[in-house]
Amino acid sequence: DAKTTQPPSMDCAEGRAANLPCNHSTISGNEYVYWYRQIHSQGPQYIIHGLKNNETNEMASLIITEDRKSSTLILPHATLRDTAVYYCIVRVGIDDMRFGAGTRLTVKP
Amino acid sequence: KAGVTQTPRYLIKTRGQQVTLSCSPISGHRSVSWYQQTPGQGLQFLFEYFSETQRNKGNFPGRFSGRQFSNSRSEMNVSTLELGDSALYLCASSLGTRHLGSETQYFGPGTRLLVL
Repeated sequence: DAKTTQPPSMDCAEGRAANLPCNHSTISGNEYVYWYRQIHSQGPQYIIHGLKNNETNEMASLIITEDRKSSTLILPHATLRDTAVYYCIVRVGIDDMRFGAGTRLTVKP
Repeated sequence: KAGVTQTPRYLIKTRGQQVTLSCSPISGHRSVSWYQQTPGQGLQFLFEYFSETQRNKGNFPGRFSGRQFSNSRSEMNVSTLELGDSALYLCASSLGTRHLGSETQYFGPGTRLLVL
C-alpha cells in the first residue's frame, strides 16, 4: 500500500498556480518525498524531491510542512501540457517506490 | 544526456509464449530497476540490477527474470506468459552509487505488453 494520500482529481486554470497536496502522516525520518507525473500512460516523469526543506527547480516547488506529515507541489504557471496524473511518493530505497492512485490534474483554458 | 530508452514500445504475445524487453539506462547510471504497472495494481517493483548483479527483488514469480550487461543495459524476460501479465513495463535508472532515498530514479517510456 502507498504511504501517501492525495485527492483523486483537481482542476486548475491555465496560467494560474496549481497546488497539489499530499498527506504522508506516517513518514519516517529517513524517507524522502518525491513527486512524479505521468501523461497518457507514458513513463513517469520526475519532478522534484525533498527531505525537510522546501525545494525549487525549473519545473516546480515543493513545500514540506515542519512536521513533515504533508507536502504541497506547486506548479507556478500551469499550462495545458501539465495535465497529467501526479504521484506523491515517500521512499527510502529503490525497492520502496510505491505509487498510489495519484491526483489527476486537469488544466483548463 | 539521452534519457532512458526501452524497446520495443509495444508488443503483442499469446499465452504460453515468452518475451524479452530491453532497457538502456542514462549514460553513467549503473542501477536499473524494472516495474510493472497495471490499472488494478498500480506500479509494482520487479527487481533492481547494479553492476550486473540483482540487488533487490520484488514479490513476483520466477517467470519474471532479468539480467544486466557490463554496459549497464538490462533485459527483462517473462516466460510462459499469462493474460494477467498484460501491463506497462517500466524501466528506471539511477546512479546507484548510494542506495538511499536521496537518489533519483528516471523512468523510460515503457513497453506496453498485451497478452492474448
